[in-house]
Amino acid sequence: ILNVEQSPQSLHVQEGDSTNFTCSFPSSNFYALHWYRWETAKSPEALFVMTLNGDEKKKGRISATLNTKEGYSYLYIKGSQPEDSATYLCAFIGTGTASKLTFGTGTRLQVTL
Amino acid sequence: DGGITQSPKYLFRKEGQNVTLSCEQNLNHDAMYWYRQDPGQGLRLIYYSQIVNDFQKGDIAEGYSVSREKKESFPLTVTSAQKNPTAFYLCATSGTGGIYEQYFGPGTRLTVT
Repeated sequence: ILNVEQSPQSLHVQEGDSTNFTCSFPSSNFYALHWYRWETAKSPEALFVMTLNGDEKKKGRISATLNTKEGYSYLYIKGSQPEDSATYLCAFIGTGTASKLTFGTGTRLQVTL
Repeated sequence: DGGITQSPKYLFRKEGQNVTLSCEQNLNHDAMYWYRQDPGQGLRLIYYSQIVNDFQKGDIAEGYSVSREKKESFPLTVTSAQKNPTAFYLCATSGTGGIYEQYFGPGTRLTVT
């Protein structure tokens, strides 16, 4: 079973702070990396699908970078808001495994006023 | 409305009974997935299907069975052989291939006593 790790496990920031989390994955046989946001009492929603080394993606105040050679991705949130409070999951897909995602355990973010 | 339906939201069963969780989608997606979530763990893949009448085991398939007779439906049966069936179960769909984001249903919380 592949090892996909996320750090930190949880994070508590104040409104307006910028923050970032890490997803580490196997650097060999990389095919794609997904980021999802999972708010309490809702279903996980996709943020980004990243496939190329050096990829940078942005959606509003959230952005992500990808380094496939060293096996990590960063998720950044600029100027955190209470509505950003959620668990952020990354998921790795290796070559030859079709659509099979291996998820990390997530980073739980809490943003307070 | 396009989406994924999982029913029921909460399900209670006695130990030793098989139980079937339903997942229906009208997104016209070829691929469907079943995940399990336990406290402190990431989403773990149970089974997935990329096309009607075909499915593959995920990382934790023991004690579970699935069928994919229609594109819209991917029911999961939790059998009495599953040693620790109490968990939160999520169904997801996507286009075929790892570059497509997954869409998740609302989940079913199964409690077996």
